[in-house]
Amino acid sequence: ELKVEQNPLFLSMQEGKNYTIYCNYSTTSDRLYWYRQDPGKSLESLFVLLSNGAVKQEGRLMASLDTKARLSTLHITAAVHDLSATYFCAVDSNSGYALNFGKGTSLLVTP
Amino acid sequence: KAGVTQTPRYLIKTRGQQVTLSCSPISGHRSVSWYQQTPGQGLQFLFEYFSETQRNKGNFPGRFSGRQFSNSRSEMNVSTLELGDSALYLCASSLVSGGADTQYFGPGTRLTVL
Repeated sequence: ELKVEQNPLFLSMQEGKNYTIYCNYSTTSDRLYWYRQDPGKSLESLFVLLSNGAVKQEGRLMASLDTKARLSTLHITAAVHDLSATYFCAVDSNSGYALNFGKGTSLLVTP
Repeated sequence: KAGVTQTPRYLIKTRGQQVTLSCSPISGHRSVSWYQQTPGQGLQFLFEYFSETQRNKGNFPGRFSGRQFSNSRSEMNVSTLELGDSALYLCASSLVSGGADTQYFGPGTRLTVL
């Protein structure tokens, strides 16, 4: 069974600070996804990482994938309040038809 | 381009009843997946359909079923509802099935079972 673990699960950080969210998964997969969810809302796609060493950046967020270590990171640079949300990583099952999600990281950015 | 739509958005049912949820994918998308989100279990995969065929099913009891129509619209059905079925049910669509395509999620149907 494919397991996806995120840490930390809760993160309170000050505006302007940097931090990294980690996503470990248990079996081989070359496809990893990051989503954002605001309270009471659906999931918004942030990044799709398709190969070892892939790095993608959008604004203050940067995601990377190391398939050999089975690890992805989501780095937050100079956090702002608008980034407060829950962030999920997800990994394709071996069949490629299902996403296995981590528990999510609830991020709160405070002044 | 319109996004994924789900109806109804909110639903209240009682134990033992059954419920049908509907999902219309983004135009041109042929793959539809369903997920259940609860505070305790998080996001769990229910099933995925492509061209009216179920390609994969998650670890849920047979009370949970689904289908996809020729226009790619999908429905899921839960029979004999239990309190534990209370959840946000999310539908996602993608262009292809089993590829590296992004899954785009709808707003969800929040089901409450009393």
